[in-house]
Amino acid sequence: QSALTQPASVSGSPGQSITISCTGTSSDVGAYNFVSWYQRHPGKGPKLLIYHVTDRPSGVSSRFSGSKSGDTASLTISGLQADDEADYYCSSYTSSRTVVFGGGTKLTVL
Amino acid sequence: EVQLVESGGGLVQPGRSLRLSCAASGFTFDDYAMHWVRQAPGKGLEWVSSISWNSDKIVYADSVKGRFTISRDNAKNSLYLQMDSLRAEDTALYFCARDFQIQIWSLDSFDIWGQGTKVTVSS
Repeated sequence: QSALTQPASVSGSPGQSITISCTGTSSDVGAYNFVSWYQRHPGKGPKLLIYHVTDRPSGVSSRFSGSKSGDTASLTISGLQADDEADYYCSSYTSSRTVVFGGGTKLTVL
Repeated sequence: EVQLVESGGGLVQPGRSLRLSCAASGFTFDDYAMHWVRQAPGKGLEWVSSISWNSDKIVYADSVKGRFTISRDNAKNSLYLQMDSLRAEDTALYFCARDFQIQIWSLDSFDIWGQGTKVTVSS
């Protein structure tokens, strides 16, 4: 199972919006609405931001939103803040009954 | 406080074994499927293995199948990963994570993560 494809890096200024893409196949992202997004700050474990493509767990800011079109899912962060600077990972359930993650995207807040 | 704490990592020679542990607290451990995920240096996250709340369902990534064994002891609120025949490519930070849903086997989302334990496989 190949990793989902994410851009290696994205950047934005405080207050702006950015979008991170996550491209899979018809056997994972395109087949199921089991796409999740995670944020990881250095030295900490990942934090769940989005599940089931669009849903936010309790306590996660509404500045984080998810969507999907075909084999590509996206995470949008609006109103960028300095603390948003972190690595972001997508994941998906697969037709092989496993889980596949993306390679990760480093977000830099300028 | 809901918490997962991994332990057992270290430096090990290729071909040897290591057992990782994950201690859970602050929630009803035997209600949730649990997972191991790893991150090699400079790489992304990689799912390793998952086990259902009552251990009747277990799955592994192809990269570790036949070498790693996941298990849990609900009486001790603990998750384990027995790693045998270790290879250099198993070098990574290993995280345990809790499934998002109670008593549902979906390999869906992981809502609570530990900080990880480092495994280095080198001669």
